[in-house]
Amino acid sequence: DQQVKQNSPSLSVQEGRISILNCDYTNSMFDYFLWYKKYPAEGPTFLISISSIKDKNEDGRFTVFLNKSAKHLSLHIVPSQPGDSAVYFCAACSAFGNEKLTFGTGTRLTIIP
Amino acid sequence: ETGVTQSPTHLIKTRGQQVTLRCSSQSGHNTVSWYQQALGQGPQFIFQYYREEENGRGNFPPRFSGLQFPNYSSELNVNALELDDSALYLCASSLAVSTDTQYFGPGTRLTVL
Repeated sequence: DQQVKQNSPSLSVQEGRISILNCDYTNSMFDYFLWYKKYPAEGPTFLISISSIKDKNEDGRFTVFLNKSAKHLSLHIVPSQPGDSAVYFCAACSAFGNEKLTFGTGTRLTIIP
Repeated sequence: ETGVTQSPTHLIKTRGQQVTLRCSSQSGHNTVSWYQQALGQGPQFIFQYYREEENGRGNFPPRFSGLQFPNYSSELNVNALELDDSALYLCASSLAVSTDTQYFGPGTRLTVL
């Protein structure tokens, strides 16, 4: 039972353009969402998060949007840079002081110079 | 600030054997979580330790067990290895009060033949 889904295994975007990565979830108990970035041979690195009380959170070139009614979130990267090429994981948890993350399957983003 | 380290980097075992994977948490972090990442999948939560006690467990059988030590290093033990246990095993350390500062190690790649 995949509670967090990333339906696009891969995405290619031209350098300088916007990258949009999508994530859907099914568990209504999730109220905190995170994006992680993973380079080969490294562990996932935290990128940005959003609480269910917000619908948008921005950090530099990265913005996460949350649509609770649709159980959908997206990560926007603008402008995309070659160093953004990595696998991006969406993760979710119930923020009652625990950190038991449920991850999606990941989207491999390739930025084309 | 010391990062999360894991050992060994790679490991090959045969079916039925037992394995111990090690993790050294980031300095000051009292919570460690272990994840299994099968090929093409996102990390799956195995269990979490907080101040040397198990603080939640995912959908993994009892042959997956763990320990956390007073210095916050930890171990993941897997008994009676099966072929499907082949995966990347990630540990992540964090301060229990926060959900967005979970720092991952680079992982141990386990291959079961």
